[in-house]
Amino acid sequence: EAQVTQNPRYLITVTGKKLTVTCSQNMNHEYMSWYRQDPGLGLRQIYYSMNVEVTDKGDVPEGYKVSRKEKRNFPLILESPSPNQTSLYFCASSPTSGVHYNEQFFGPGTRLTVL
Amino acid sequence: AQKITQTQPGMFVQEKEAVTLDCTYDTSDPSYGLFWYKQPSSGEMIFLIYQGSYDQQNATEGRYSLNFQKARKSANLVISASQLGDSAMYFCAMREGLDSGYSTLTFGKGTMLLVSP
Repeated sequence: EAQVTQNPRYLITVTGKKLTVTCSQNMNHEYMSWYRQDPGLGLRQIYYSMNVEVTDKGDVPEGYKVSRKEKRNFPLILESPSPNQTSLYFCASSPTSGVHYNEQFFGPGTRLTVL
Repeated sequence: AQKITQTQPGMFVQEKEAVTLDCTYDTSDPSYGLFWYKQPSSGEMIFLIYQGSYDQQNATEGRYSLNFQKARKSANLVISASQLGDSAMYFCAMREGLDSGYSTLTFGKGTMLLVSP
């Protein structure tokens, strides 16, 4: 089944404890992206990647890191999480050409709470 | 300035009625795409419909249609014959610069739709 997976789905952690949220897609998509969703603010892009070893900042990159060593994986790293990073996080992927060029495929979301 | 504006934080509609969710956008790029996504209470993002700036016809997908008014820069989502399962958050989004290659999505803040029996 074509899908984007994220792990964990739920995470409660404490301030300063490094964490990684994994994202993997099995559709051979070039483009991958991370968003955070906060009430009243919609989805805001954190980082995106156009292909392996190519990453770029979105609108709200502060406090986050990403890497794209393989095409299928795009982990989101919080080196020192803070309470203002409590949010719902989505990973998404998309081909950059072809039939589904205009659609982004979203993962199920990761609900993160930083105490 | 916001690129995508959804002015209705919440909307109520009765089952079987039609409802329009508003979306206006701001871009100077002639080549762009407009999207609507649905987010039910379970949290996943579901793609509903797409409209390209060069498309002559308004997009339709089943009970969903996109009322695209280019001069007014609006891309309203129309849901016909609402169902209880349509209760969800709805997001409008845009990609610009489609002629220049791939570009990222910008989302609006969303509209919560509640469908009552």
